[in-house]
Amino acid sequence: DAKTTQPNSMESNEEEPVHLPCNHSTISGTDYIHWYRQLPSQGPEYVIHGLTSNVNNRMASLAIAEDRKSSTLILHRATLRDAAVYYCIREANAGGTSYGKLTFGQGTILTVHP
Amino acid sequence: GAGVSQSPRYKVAKRGQDVALRCDPISGHVSLFWYQQALGQGPEFLTYFQNEAQLDKSGLPSDRFFAERPEGSVSTLKIQRTQQEDSAVYLCASSLASGASVGEQYFGPGTRLTVT
Repeated sequence: DAKTTQPNSMESNEEEPVHLPCNHSTISGTDYIHWYRQLPSQGPEYVIHGLTSNVNNRMASLAIAEDRKSSTLILHRATLRDAAVYYCIREANAGGTSYGKLTFGQGTILTVHP
Repeated sequence: GAGVSQSPRYKVAKRGQDVALRCDPISGHVSLFWYQQALGQGPEFLTYFQNEAQLDKSGLPSDRFFAERPEGSVSTLKIQRTQQEDSAVYLCASSLASGASVGEQYFGPGTRLTVT
């Protein structure tokens, strides 16, 4: 199954770091890990993606375990605007090529308290 | 610059009617995807275009669903003889790249289809 496993919900306080876990135990060596988030009544928004090494961008950091069977999205300082559903997605990349088909799971509902 | 736009934003159809949903991707984007999102669920892949070529339609739930992108830009998702189970948000996404991991996909706001 290409879907990942995430907790149904998490809570955080504003301005605190948030670590969102994801398990992808059946991942293959060429599969990418993507994170998207979705606010109510909006389409998903790209957050970050990576293959093997940890990745940082202006929104977040992605820490990928050495065996690649799990990863963690890190929001360094949560704001109220970060409250959303966060999807950890494994992009199957069989044969070394992929056109980006994303297989979403249920995601984690993140609640941020003021 | 403009993002991905979709129209209409909301569509109510009576069961048995045909509907057409439009997606305007970001100009120059090669890859275009359609997803279906049921209430409370994550989006589900429907189909993929690379320019005008439909390379994957494995997610289309039945032969009542048809998608096209004749000139490699605007795409239309058509649903014939709508059923209540077709009620969902239909999302369109585009990406600049093609081939090995297209990276960031830009999603539109979606069209909420309600079949009564």
